[in-house]
Amino acid sequence: EAGVAQSPRYKIIEKRQSVAFWCNPISGHATLYWYQQILGQGPKLLIQFQNNGVVDDSQLPKDRFSAERLKGVDSTLKIQPAKLEDSAVYLCASSWGSHTEAFFGQGTRLTVV
Amino acid sequence: GDSVTQMEGPVTLSEEAFLTINCTYTATGYPSLFWYVQYPGEGLQLLLKATKADDKGSNKGFEATYRKETTSFHLEKGSVQVSDSAVYFCALSYRNNDMRFGAGTRLTVKP
Repeated sequence: EAGVAQSPRYKIIEKRQSVAFWCNPISGHATLYWYQQILGQGPKLLIQFQNNGVVDDSQLPKDRFSAERLKGVDSTLKIQPAKLEDSAVYLCASSWGSHTEAFFGQGTRLTVV
Repeated sequence: GDSVTQMEGPVTLSEEAFLTINCTYTATGYPSLFWYVQYPGEGLQLLLKATKADDKGSNKGFEATYRKETTSFHLEKGSVQVSDSAVYFCALSYRNNDMRFGAGTRLTVKP
C-alpha cells in the first residue's frame, strides 16, 4: 500500500514570505496529523483532523499557521508570514482510528532565512 | 496534560552491548504506548507498541513492557548492532488519537 505522501521535500524561503505544504494520507485513514519537528526535539502536534473536521488545533499558532482538509482526504498546511523560528521539519501522519499507530511521511524540511 | 518523558541522550554503546532507553508517561487514563525510530535521513517508523497494561511489544529484537504501576515503557535490546544507530521516540496515544512524543534519544552504536 502507498505510504503518506508529502511535498515538497525541501523549501527555503525568506522571513515574512508565505509557504504551503501538501500531504496525501494513506487511503482510508480518517485521522490526519501535522507535526512540527524542530532540530533535536520530538515532533510537536500542530493540528489533528478526523475526516474533514478539526479535533485538536490547540498548539497551532493561528495568527500565522492555517491548515485545511476540505474533502477529508489530502491536506495543506500554510504559514504566512514565516518567521525564522518556523525552520523545522513538518511531518504529516495518518492513522485508522483510536489508539492505532500513526504512519508518517518523509516530511518537508523548511528553512527560513 | 498527557505527556511522555524519555531519557536524554545521546547514548553511545559498543556493538553487542545491552540497551535500555527509559520512558515514563503521564496520562489521566489508559493510553496506548509506542516506540518510534528515525534512522538517518528517513522518516519516523513504528518500532513497537502496547495497548494495555502488562502488554509487551517487540520487534527486531527490541522489547518494551507497559508498566501501569510505574507508568513506564522502557525500551530494551539485548545486543545492539551498528545498524540500530538512530533516534528513538517514545509516544502515547490517548483519547482522540492525539499522538504525543517525547524529545527523542539518539543512539550511536560503534563497531
